Amino acid sequence: SQQGEEDPQALSIQEGENATMNCSYKTSINNLQWYRQNSGRGLVHLILIRSNEREKHSGRLRVTLDTSKKSSSLLITASRAADTASYFCATDKGAQKLVFGQGTRLTINP
Amino acid sequence: KAGVTQTPRYLIKTRGQQVTLSCSPISGHRSVSWYQQTPGQGLQFLFEYFSETQRNKGNFPGRFSGRQFSNSRSEMNVSTLELGDSALYLCASSFAGTANYNEQFFGPGTRLTVL
Repeated sequence: SQQGEEDPQALSIQEGENATMNCSYKTSINNLQWYRQNSGRGLVHLILIRSNEREKHSGRLRVTLDTSKKSSSLLITASRAADTASYFCATDKGAQKLVFGQGTRLTINP
Repeated sequence: KAGVTQTPRYLIKTRGQQVTLSCSPISGHRSVSWYQQTPGQGLQFLFEYFSETQRNKGNFPGRFSGRQFSNSRSEMNVSTLELGDSALYLCASSFAGTANYNEQFFGPGTRLTVL
């Protein structure tokens, strides 16, 4: 069963714009991560935020975590065509078992 | 370091057959996890192996099984294949020195089609 829900399911923006994706989850977590997947291929790890952290940055990525609302957001700034992919959030409770959201399909238009 | 490798990359089987998928983790990683990805159910955890022992298990029927070898390489087996087993099977490895979470690195996946 899916732990999280992602919003929106699909997002289409122009190159150079910012993209924001949201993820909600149902139970307490230790960590939340974001992954990228290109066309049904393997998952690429983007960023991990721990439950005691509120915000984290990595390059053009900014992730926030609100444990009181059980939600997270991923912001990609200055989007590029190469950012076109599906993005998934995944949570864990301290074991090697990730529970994934349904994903957001992001399309960057040139 | 070489990444996680999975073989084969593509596989076509017929209903009732069985299949074995292989995963080689990143060198030094002792934990291997398997996930199934389908359009309907999304990404779902199958099981995790650490030091040749199954440490975590998802909610899948007994037709799905796995094992891990002393070199940390892992295999998963699906017996009596059903059409619904058609999916992308992803393997992930992590160092996982303790039971606490370590970052997981995913392989490219094996695309299984059941006819």
